[in-house]
Amino acid sequence: KNEVEQSPQNLTAQEGEFITINCSYSVGISALHWLQQHPGGGIVSLFMLSSGKKKHGRLIATINIQEKHSSLHITASHPRDSAVYICAGQNPPPDTDKLIFGTGTRLQVFP
Amino acid sequence: DAGVIQSPRHEVTEMGQEVTLRCKPISGHDYLFWYRQTMMRGLELLIYFNNNVPIDDSGMPEDRFSAKMPNASFSTLKIQPSEPRDSAVYFCASSFTVRGGYTFGSGTRLTVV
Repeated sequence: KNEVEQSPQNLTAQEGEFITINCSYSVGISALHWLQQHPGGGIVSLFMLSSGKKKHGRLIATINIQEKHSSLHITASHPRDSAVYICAGQNPPPDTDKLIFGTGTRLQVFP
Repeated sequence: DAGVIQSPRHEVTEMGQEVTLRCKPISGHDYLFWYRQTMMRGLELLIYFNNNVPIDDSGMPEDRFSAKMPNASFSTLKIQPSEPRDSAVYFCASSFTVRGGYTFGSGTRLTVV
């Protein structure tokens, strides 16, 4: 059974700080997703990656397949980055349709 | 495209009543997923469809829950009869092939009193 763990559970930062959220999984996956959810809001897919690194604006996601670990970095954090960040592993075949979710990291960025 | 559209945004109902949640996926997406999110259990997959066919409903908690996808542009999740423990946010998501990334709807916040 694949399990996905995130750390930290809660994170506070001052505006401008560099932020790292970690995600580890126990079984090999076909892809890893990073999702963002603002308070009371919907869920936005930030990244889907199966190797290497992806960058979008101030957000960077990396994955190390051998170590079964992924990180989400936020550079020059801003209060509007305050949200819950969820990583989710996509199972390998034949169960690739399913996502296994981490419990989320609640980020608060203060001005 | 307007994204994945869910309705209603909020639903408050009395225990025992039937509740129907609706979802319109992104046009052209061939996968549709129903998730439930609670504080205790986080996000859970309830059921998903591929090309309108239910593939896996093992996450549906009980027979009180049912889901249909009569065509490529519409799906419903029905709870009958509803119970207070069904209170949660229900998300619909769609994707184009299983590797295409997911687009989530805004969710339906269900409160059963």
